[in-house]
Amino acid sequence: RKEVEQDPGPFNVPEGATVAFNCTYSNSASQSFFWYRQDCRKEPKLLMSVYSSGNEDGRFTAQLNRASQYISLLIRDSKLSDSATYLCVVISTDSWGKLQFGAGTQVVVTP
Amino acid sequence: DTGVSQDPRHKITKRGQNVTFRCDPISEHNRLYWYRQTLGQGPEFLTYFQNEAQLEKSRLLSDRFSAERPKGSFSTLEIQRTEQGDSAMYLCASSHSLAGARDTGELFFGEGSRLTVL
Repeated sequence: RKEVEQDPGPFNVPEGATVAFNCTYSNSASQSFFWYRQDCRKEPKLLMSVYSSGNEDGRFTAQLNRASQYISLLIRDSKLSDSATYLCVVISTDSWGKLQFGAGTQVVVTP
Repeated sequence: DTGVSQDPRHKITKRGQNVTFRCDPISEHNRLYWYRQTLGQGPEFLTYFQNEAQLEKSRLLSDRFSAERPKGSFSTLEIQRTEQGDSAMYLCASSHSLAGARDTGELFFGEGSRLTVL
């Protein structure tokens, strides 16, 4: 079983709509969580950190559910430019320097 | 340009040959990471350095793979006796974190070195 699992999608979303997707992690020692964005044929870039109480950054909302061991990302008012692969990233206390990436969830925003 | 740079950007080689990739991190960053990514997958952790010390290696990293960061600045990743399964994008990333501390989570990636093994 992979340590970090994501629904690969694609999630096809009409422009202006809301889309949400989850990422599950298996290591209970996981302590820090992030969402990265990767555009086609580009390198990954940090989108946002995920805090225990949940957090927003503009149209993006991240949530953490420690009991069920998953994090989520919600995108409101989707823009065409939101089309990308969203990678879930986890750091565990047993390996502080090792960022574990999920396989990514592809989001396609259509006009 | 003060970002992470990788060289070469593309490498085509025949099975059995050795290849070496170089990564120059952002100059003030003390951590350097190597990841491998194949189509449809997320980056797969290979190894990371804190300054010149290699602190962790993936169990997936066979003895054909070796990485160095001799002066705590640039790093090289060598693959010996390449196999077709080594074909992938090799990504280097850097960050700045206190020694022994949890990573901030913000890695700055280079554009990658794409390896094709024929």
